[in-house]
Amino acid sequence: EAGVTQSPTHLIKTRGQQATLRCSPISGHTSVYWYQQALGLGLQFLLWYDEGEERNRGNFPPRFSGRQFPNYSSELNVNALELEDSALYLCASSGGTGANQPQHFGDGTRLSIL
Amino acid sequence: RKEVEQDPGPFNVPEGATVAFNCTYSNSASQSFFWYRQDCRKEPKLLMSVYSSGNEDGRFTAQLNRASQYISLLIRDSKLSDSATYLCVVNSLMNSGNTPLVFGKGTRLSVIA
Repeated sequence: EAGVTQSPTHLIKTRGQQATLRCSPISGHTSVYWYQQALGLGLQFLLWYDEGEERNRGNFPPRFSGRQFPNYSSELNVNALELEDSALYLCASSGGTGANQPQHFGDGTRLSIL
Repeated sequence: RKEVEQDPGPFNVPEGATVAFNCTYSNSASQSFFWYRQDCRKEPKLLMSVYSSGNEDGRFTAQLNRASQYISLLIRDSKLSDSATYLCVVNSLMNSGNTPLVFGKGTRLSVIA
């Protein structure tokens, strides 16, 4: 069974540009989560999508947005990039919204802002 | 108070040692608990779920104390390959529906030959 896949692996942008990160969940999983992990810091929750709807949002500005497609894959868009957006962006999926569902992570996209 | 708190370490232990990590959580409504491990510059990977009665998986034992809102992970007979950051993870079921997992900042373990 294929795991969570993310693309691209690395992305280099400059300040003010826009970035799009992609995620495909494990087959059969309907929930997709996005996290930001800056160097040396813990995971910060960004967004949660389930069945195409945004279910919850972390404490990030509106220039962080995303969507989930009918096939449950997801995109994270970051507009007006700032230097502090440099981080590892992790996508995770789970098999449902039950409280006992663990999340399974992709390898991440490393975003570098120059 | 942070939602999930862990001792950041690092814990430096010799091969074969037993090491224990602790974690406290602030939300008494929390319903599910996990330990993840994260290797340097890699994604977190699920190590084990934590059940109310405590559970064991090989050299790893997880315990939950709901009254004290405390979770622990015990690693016996440490191997070099156990060197990683261990993340305590908590979920909560709120009136408005599920909230996402809340990750602790992790405890770093280095097992030394």
